[in-house]
Amino acid sequence: DQQVKQNSPSLSVQEGRISILNCDYTNSMFDYFLWYKKYPAEGPTFLISISSIKDKNEDGRFTVFLNKSAKHLSLHIVPSQPGDSAVYFCAASLEGAQKLVFGQGTRLTINP
Amino acid sequence: SAVISQKPSRDICQRGTSLTIQCQVDSQVTMMFWYRQQPGQSLTLIATANQGSEATYESGFVIDKFPISRPNLTFSTLTVSNMSPEDSSIYLCSVDRGRLTDTQYFGPGTRLTVL
Repeated sequence: DQQVKQNSPSLSVQEGRISILNCDYTNSMFDYFLWYKKYPAEGPTFLISISSIKDKNEDGRFTVFLNKSAKHLSLHIVPSQPGDSAVYFCAASLEGAQKLVFGQGTRLTINP
Repeated sequence: SAVISQKPSRDICQRGTSLTIQCQVDSQVTMMFWYRQQPGQSLTLIATANQGSEATYESGFVIDKFPISRPNLTFSTLTVSNMSPEDSSIYLCSVDRGRLTDTQYFGPGTRLTVL
């Protein structure tokens, strides 16, 4: 039972344009959502998070949007840079559970 | 964030042997976690390790196969026992700083290949 889903295994975007990565979840009890970036041979790096009481959180070039009614979140990167090329994972947690459920990841490639 | 190191960074092992992976954090943390990322797959939680108590294993993972130690608040080990090629994965430890959110910070991972 995949509770967190990233339906796009890969995404290719031109440098300078907006990258939009999507994530869907099935468990309405999730109350905290995170995005991680992973380069080959490295561990995931925390990017940005959002609580279920908000619908948007912004940090520099990264913005996460949460649509609770649709059980959907997205990560916007603008402008996209070559260094953004990596695998992006969304993750979710239940309050008090202190453990994360991850999506399958989306490989983002930024083309010059 | 936290500075987390893992040893070894990679290893190639023979079927039937065991490997112990170490995770060291630069500051005391309450919660440490062990994940597995099989080739082309997502990260799957193996177990949660608290200092001074038995690790809590997720469905599908058992202590006999993945024994965990947590001797203090900055260190943990995961052993992969009686390995088979199906255990070939990246093994990652992570920590939760125990603040208001469930944000976890990950180590660099250990890439294990079992022949």
